[in-house]
Amino acid sequence: EAAVTQSPRNKVAVTGGKVTLSCNQTNNHNNMYWYRQDTGHGLRLIHYSYGAGSTEKGDIPDGYKASRPSQENFSLILELATPSQTSVYFCASGELGGRLSEQYFGPGTRLTVL
Amino acid sequence: QQKVQQSPESLIVPEGGMASLNCTSSDRNVDYFWWYRQHSGKSPKMLMSIFSNGEKEEGRFTVHLNKASLHTSLHIRDSQPSDSALYLCAATSGGNYKPTFGKGTSLVVHP
Repeated sequence: EAAVTQSPRNKVAVTGGKVTLSCNQTNNHNNMYWYRQDTGHGLRLIHYSYGAGSTEKGDIPDGYKASRPSQENFSLILELATPSQTSVYFCASGELGGRLSEQYFGPGTRLTVL
Repeated sequence: QQKVQQSPESLIVPEGGMASLNCTSSDRNVDYFWWYRQHSGKSPKMLMSIFSNGEKEEGRFTVHLNKASLHTSLHIRDSQPSDSALYLCAATSGGNYKPTFGKGTSLVVHP
């Protein structure tokens, strides 16, 4: 069964601190994505990746870095966390396009920056 | 940057009724649309995708696409209380795999 896991599920961080959100997929998908979801904004794409070693900027990349060390793992890094980054973060893996079109989301990480 | 607009923002339908949700892209190069359902406190789950003009049906769910008007719609017949959720539409354009999401339609099906 397709699976995407995220850790941690909940995180409280201090302003200026470093936060790393981790994502693992067992779907063997090439593409992975990091989104944040805020009330009134829907899902917004932060970074995405086409495969191991690649990262691309999404629509709101400022303040975030991403790392894709392997096919299975994709991390989101907040070097200097700010309260405006308080949100729910979703990781997803997928193949979007052609006859095969699927995308699976992880359970989400609720991040609070104080 | 592509924008995806969804309407209505919220919708209430009676159990057994038909729910109709709309989604429009701002990009004339749009190539794929996806519909997702997100129950409260859960992650989004893909329902259906469509890339050709016409209609696609899966069970109680039907998706229409009119590429000329950059518009897709999702119709849920025989709506059930378990269909109450946030419905998200996403689109890609220009051959990239960077989906842009709309803000969603909140559907409530009351018994």
